Amino acid sequence: SQTIHQWPATLVQPVGSPLSLECTVEGTSNPNLYWYRQAAGRGLQLLFYSVGIGQISSEVPQNLSASRPQDRQFILSSKKLLLSDSGFYLCAWSDQAGGPIDTQYFGPGTRLTVL
Amino acid sequence: QKEVEQDPGPLSVPEGAIVSLNCTYSNSAFQYFMWYRQYSRKGPELLMYTYSSGNKEDGRFTAQVDKSSKYISLFIRDSQPSDSATYLCAMSGGFNKFYFGSGTKLNVKP
Repeated sequence: SQTIHQWPATLVQPVGSPLSLECTVEGTSNPNLYWYRQAAGRGLQLLFYSVGIGQISSEVPQNLSASRPQDRQFILSSKKLLLSDSGFYLCAWSDQAGGPIDTQYFGPGTRLTVL
Repeated sequence: QKEVEQDPGPLSVPEGAIVSLNCTYSNSAFQYFMWYRQYSRKGPELLMYTYSSGNKEDGRFTAQVDKSSKYISLFIRDSQPSDSATYLCAMSGGFNKFYFGSGTKLNVKP
């Protein structure tokens, strides 16, 4: 069965500091990978998605970036955090288009607080 | 206009009640419809998945899709306090992009 991991679970960082959040998926090959941010009491905002190694699409211009160095690894980064970057960050995966079903599975999330 | 609209609630019901959660959408190309349950401070968990129109039942949960009205519903029978969570609807046109409602917060009182 497939499993998705995220770490760290919780992070408190000062404004202006760098960020690196990691997501890995087990039990599947060549998944689509996604980063979302969920602000308190609000819906999911898609930040980045990737259909393969080194292929990243950005949905929202911001001071965040994403990388996919390996097939099942997805990293969210920032060089300098802003207060507005606080939120709940979720990684998700789905099968490639054309598969039998089209749905997403989420990781446990990382709660980021920028002070 | 948002792609997906969902009443944020909160919705408070007594234990044992039937709960109805709903979403409307604007894109007629959506074919895949999902419901997620999200407990506080946790990632969303896939609850139900349907393709195209019709009903799907899984235990106490029933998902309905009415593509002609662009309306989807999730029914929870015999609701339990453990059902208290935020419920997110999501949909896709099959091209790996997913559109989410903002979530409905449900509280089932013992």
